[in-house]
Amino acid sequence: GAGVSQSPRYKVAKRGQDVALRCDPISGHVSLFWYQQALGQGPEFLTYFQNEAQLDKSGLPSDRFFAERPEGSVSTLKIQRTQQEDSAVYLCASSLAGLDFSGANVLTFGAGSRLTVL
Amino acid sequence: QKEVEQDPGPLSVPEGAIVSLNCTYSNSAFQYFMWYRQYSRKGPELLMYTYSSGNKEDGRFTAQVDKSSKYISLFIRDSQPSDSATYLCAMRRAGGYQKVTFGTGTKLQVIP
Repeated sequence: GAGVSQSPRYKVAKRGQDVALRCDPISGHVSLFWYQQALGQGPEFLTYFQNEAQLDKSGLPSDRFFAERPEGSVSTLKIQRTQQEDSAVYLCASSLAGLDFSGANVLTFGAGSRLTVL
Repeated sequence: QKEVEQDPGPLSVPEGAIVSLNCTYSNSAFQYFMWYRQYSRKGPELLMYTYSSGNKEDGRFTAQVDKSSKYISLFIRDSQPSDSATYLCAMRRAGGYQKVTFGTGTKLQVIP
């Protein structure tokens, strides 16, 4: 597609439930990022993929968070045993550049998946 | 303390005003500086980026970087109601993959 597509746009989960958030990046984009944006805050880095390889997961807040991109295109962010503090907008972004790029690494973001944990 | 600090606002100005948005940062290794605009319930979209110190102009928007002071600015001339959004500064180090670090965002409202 023309842009980054994320689904679902809105998700309400009961505390303790598992959720899965999907990201369809722009076709051909090598890099894929997940960010978490709490209300009134800027996006906080979660994890980075170059093609199917997860090269940086330093931002994942706990081992309840897991991300994958098995074929180097679609990515899924999974949160197990959700907690109230997981409530946030989860943003996916992709870029054409990979590891060998030294430019600004312009990111194209999706509209986000808004997760509310009750 | 966060690597990137940004006044969250909100900032309210009349239509036609000049708007100044600012960020400070602590990591001297940052080389690329970006401004993203985020409308309500949308993802951020890139407005401008600059490399190292200096100015860059694009239409009504001017980005300035002062690396000696670790201070970046975005100026919006002749502000329009359609400029009402949250403005996020962002930055990264040079060389290969480097994650982009964002500020908190400043919410701007331009009143007709």
